[in-house]
Amino acid sequence: DAGITQSPRHKVTETGTPVTLRCHQTENHRYMYWYRQDPGHGLRLIHYSYGVKDTDKGEVSDGYSVSRSKTEDFLLTLESATSSQTSVYFCAISDSSGGHQETQYFGPGTRLLVL
Amino acid sequence: SQQGEEDPQALSIQEGENATMNCSYKTSINNLQWYRQNSGRGLVHLILIRSNEREKHSGRLRVTLDTSKKSSSLLITASRAADTASYFCATGLYTGANSKLTFGKGITLSVRP
Repeated sequence: DAGITQSPRHKVTETGTPVTLRCHQTENHRYMYWYRQDPGHGLRLIHYSYGVKDTDKGEVSDGYSVSRSKTEDFLLTLESATSSQTSVYFCAISDSSGGHQETQYFGPGTRLLVL
Repeated sequence: SQQGEEDPQALSIQEGENATMNCSYKTSINNLQWYRQNSGRGLVHLILIRSNEREKHSGRLRVTLDTSKKSSSLLITASRAADTASYFCATGLYTGANSKLTFGKGITLSVRP
C-alpha cells in the first residue's frame, strides 16, 4: 500500500463523540487526501492537503476538519460524530509530476461505525 | 456531483473472455485514470491516459479516451478469476497548483472460473 498506514482500522463510537482518524505516510509525498466510500456513492473527497498546514475542502467537508502539521501525517477529525458519518474512510497520497500530482496511492481504509 | 459515470454497474463474464467497461464524464479533464478495488481493500491505480492521448496499453489492459464524446473505455483481455473486483474511473483536473480526482461510483466485475 505504498507506505501508507491508517489508524485505527476499525472503530465503533457513539453519536456526539469526537473521533480522529490518522493517516501516516513514509513516501514524503506532498499531497494527501481523505475520502469516504459509501454504497451507491463511490468515493467522495472530504478534504485534501497540498503541503504542511495547507488544506482545502472537498465535496463533502461538512462535519469534518483536518490538520497537517508534518509532511507524513494527515488527521481527519469528526467534531461530533453522527450516524450519517458511518462509512469507510480512505487516505490517499500523491506526488507532483511536472508541477501537478496525478496518480494517487491509497491506504487500507478505516471502517467507522457511529451508533 | 460525480464527474465520472461508469457503465455497466455490474458485469459478469467467464474466465478467458474480455471485459469492457465504460466511463463518461461531463467537463474538461487533464487526464482520466482507472483504479481497481478488491473487496475490503484500498484502491490500486491501474492506468492513466492524458487528455491528448487516445489509447494506452498496459499488459492485458487497454484504455481509450475520446474527448469529443467525453468518454473512456477500459478493456481487460483474457480475464482471470483474480480480476474479480470493483473498477473505478477517475477524472483529473488541474486548478492552479492543485489538482483533484473525481471518482465514479464503480463497476463490479465478476469473473467466473
